[in-house]
Amino acid sequence: NAGVTQTPKFQVLKTGQSMTLQCAQDMNHNSMYWYRQDPGMGLRLIYYSASEGTTDKGEVPNGYNVSRLNKREFSLRLESAAPSQTSVYFCASTRGVGYTFGSGTRLTVV
Amino acid sequence: EDQVTQSPEALRLQEGESSSLNCSYTVSGLRGLFWYRQDPGKGPEFLFTLYSAGEEKEKERLKATLTKKESFLHITAPKPEDSATYLCAVQAIGTASKLTFGTGTRLQVTL
Repeated sequence: NAGVTQTPKFQVLKTGQSMTLQCAQDMNHNSMYWYRQDPGMGLRLIYYSASEGTTDKGEVPNGYNVSRLNKREFSLRLESAAPSQTSVYFCASTRGVGYTFGSGTRLTVV
Repeated sequence: EDQVTQSPEALRLQEGESSSLNCSYTVSGLRGLFWYRQDPGKGPEFLFTLYSAGEEKEKERLKATLTKKESFLHITAPKPEDSATYLCAVQAIGTASKLTFGTGTRLQVTL
């Protein structure tokens, strides 16, 4: 009964370093999403995958790339981290209406 | 562009003191309006989906209502365990299930 699993839960990066945030869901959902949450800004969509094999940009895609590895997994990559990417990142999935969220990755870029 | 505005930003209630949270929205064509609860350090947890004006949903001390321009989350006789941030989001027709979120209302319920 895992739902949406995100790893890691916490990460500190130096400016310019790269990393990949992992997300996996076990609910057979078609669509998956990456959001970032910043104080006073709410949740903002970075990238999404409406179905396996497709990915599209959201509201704030600059500095990020994604891979929909298979139906279960959707990863988010930061190629060269910047302090502005310090945030809490949430992965979510849906079958069509309403999301199930993971517990988040808290990323700090110094 | 779809927009969601929540008010108040923060609300402090005493246990048993009922109140309402507001969510105003503009969307090209509403497929659904969602309410989520978020506890500190956790991901949002689904509460309700509303699809059309006049619809109401209830769960324990929470009741969500929807009009053509706004939604209310009514909290009746709240308890300290209701303390959380409540998020409102809209899904527009034909947007690949993307949600647009408001910034949330932080609710604190004290004894």
